[in-house]
Amino acid sequence: EPEVTQTPSHQVTQMGQEVILRCVPISNHLYFYWYRQILGQKVEFLVSFYNNEISEKSEIFDDQFSVERPDGSNFTLKIRSTKLEDSAMYFCASRDRAGYGYTFGSGTRLTVV
Amino acid sequence: GIQVEQSPPDLILQEGANSTLRCNFSDSVNNLQWFHQNPWGQLINLFYIPSGTKQNGRLSATTVATERYSLLYISSSQTTDSGVYFCAVDPFPYTGANSKLTFGKGITLSVRP
Repeated sequence: EPEVTQTPSHQVTQMGQEVILRCVPISNHLYFYWYRQILGQKVEFLVSFYNNEISEKSEIFDDQFSVERPDGSNFTLKIRSTKLEDSAMYFCASRDRAGYGYTFGSGTRLTVV
Repeated sequence: GIQVEQSPPDLILQEGANSTLRCNFSDSVNNLQWFHQNPWGQLINLFYIPSGTKQNGRLSATTVATERYSLLYISSSQTTDSGVYFCAVDPFPYTGANSKLTFGKGITLSVRP
């Protein structure tokens, strides 16, 4: 079964550093997403991406965040200057046009120290 | 936006028992998915079920779209069923650029040997 691949699985970074979280969505999918889950809380929508541009972003997705699809396969989330409160599990997801549901990656656990 | 409520928030079972997890949502949906979050934090897709009934082994799910609820049944529970169960819904059409999943707060299931 096709998978969404995320790397790294765990990243520790110093406060103020930039981090890039990487995702390889399923190859024929057209819609791409990032979600975040702070420890013990629910999964929250960050941003959706379609046709090489952001479709929608939540209020969490401020100027410190950006997304990019630099080639035909990768989809990245960049946090410019990390804060302690950015510590969370970050999930990438993708969806195809036919609407069989969203496929989630296994997540990147980001720890900001 | 759409509201998703899951109940009960916590559930403790003896191994071998059956259980029913409930998800209520506040608006019509085009997509509903049930996920299991394992101890490593991974989101495992259990069912894509915007309506009707599906079964997969010991798990089954039913969504009654007209009454805006979904049920996840776990039969003959095992310790490996422990974790958090999330219901997530999307009210928008499959090809909508503003389509996204909204998650409930989850149900924490503990199955004791």
